[in-house]
Amino acid sequence: ETGVTQTPRHLVMGMTNKKSLKCEQHLGHNAMYWYKQSAKKPLELMFVYSLEERVENNSVPSRFSPECPNSSHLFLHLHTLQPEDSALYLCASSQHYRGGNTGELFFGEGSRLTVL
Amino acid sequence: GESVGLHLPTLSVQEGDNSIINCAYSNSASDYFIWYKQESGKGPQFIIDIRSNMDKRQGQRVTVLLNKTVKHLSLQIAATQPGDSAVYFCAENEVSGGGADGLTFGKGTHLIIQP
Repeated sequence: ETGVTQTPRHLVMGMTNKKSLKCEQHLGHNAMYWYKQSAKKPLELMFVYSLEERVENNSVPSRFSPECPNSSHLFLHLHTLQPEDSALYLCASSQHYRGGNTGELFFGEGSRLTVL
Repeated sequence: GESVGLHLPTLSVQEGDNSIINCAYSNSASDYFIWYKQESGKGPQFIIDIRSNMDKRQGQRVTVLLNKTVKHLSLQIAATQPGDSAVYFCAENEVSGGGADGLTFGKGTHLIIQP
């Protein structure tokens, strides 16, 4: 049972749809992340929130919009996506953003997104 | 090119044998290294980590070796079991300089266990 829960696990959407991915962490962590995982590519960091404030936005297209209402919840709002956005979207959390053994991320099981 | 990479995309081993998965990195300033395991249909799971002031660290059936001279990292799995089938990622971070967002992942090696 992972401490990071993502919903939905699978999502199929058209290019004109608006949908959201949800992530919840039950670990009391201060930092949360969105990663994109495409076939045969390394994990790509999209967004980082530390104590509910966005600290990193790695040049992600505006059709992806994150929201972090509190330290336990993270959303990724999707609109006007392209077929190349089809991927596994992974949420992760860490105890801290800086300090300690930064890098020990706890991942959710991912949301498999297919854009038609 | 990538700052972190793996030598082989797929590694096939016999059940019961030892497995060695290799990883090369290029950032000399990296001081923290991690191995993750990702089973099919699941998210990556932390296995073991090592700081740059160490060259070896052991866990349960796993050992990570770090050679800073040649910037090489390896994961050794003893007595490989069917449950070890997964994709293994190495990752590096320059902890002293930043946060967890500095973590850089390799592409991964798919470990296949032959019965």
